[in-house]
Amino acid sequence: KNEVEQSPQNLTAQEGEFITINCSYSVGISALHWLQQHPGGGIVSLFMLSSGKKKHGRLIATINIQEKHSSLHITASHPRDSAVYICAVVNYGGSQGNLIFGKGTKLSVKP
Amino acid sequence: ETGVTQTPRHLVMGMTNKKSLKCEQHLGHNAMYWYKQSAKKPLELMFVYSLEERVENNSVPSRFSPECPNSSHLFLHLHTLQPEDSALYLCASSQGQGATANYGYTFGSGTRLTVV
Repeated sequence: KNEVEQSPQNLTAQEGEFITINCSYSVGISALHWLQQHPGGGIVSLFMLSSGKKKHGRLIATINIQEKHSSLHITASHPRDSAVYICAVVNYGGSQGNLIFGKGTKLSVKP
Repeated sequence: ETGVTQTPRHLVMGMTNKKSLKCEQHLGHNAMYWYKQSAKKPLELMFVYSLEERVENNSVPSRFSPECPNSSHLFLHLHTLQPEDSALYLCASSQGQGATANYGYTFGSGTRLTVV
């Protein structure tokens, strides 16, 4: 079992819908990242958080350290949001670069 | 462009070939990484360089050989690869040392490698 689990694996939504992607992890962490990967392959960092909530435009990320759970929300979704969203955690006490990645959630937003 | 540039974007090579992947960043970051992304699997860390010194080698076969000549450049030299090495190879950089909460990663667009 992977130390970082994401759900759902695949998600199809209609334009304008509110979207939630979940991430659960089983290790102690010092930070959690949400990443976006477009079909071309490049990865963009959306958020890095260690507590509470962060907001950037239509994207909101929350984390509950006690429950070892994070969510990524997209409000008023748009076809350009279609991508793979990856959750990654920085393993507490781990060596530099020791990001543990989830398998990603593939989001498709239909017009 | 994210600030981390990878070349080439696509590479097809035979099992007996020798090729190199290049990664370049001018963000002033002091750590650089190679990751491998295979289909339906999470990203896997391959190598970490901090201040031009290799600090982690994640049990990667010797047919993959990294090189970090300076803090802005990172190479991955490939030789006698296998078809199962076909994957997306991603480079990343960061500023900061250790697993702190105060640094983020910048990723390149990746090199799509196909071994035939």
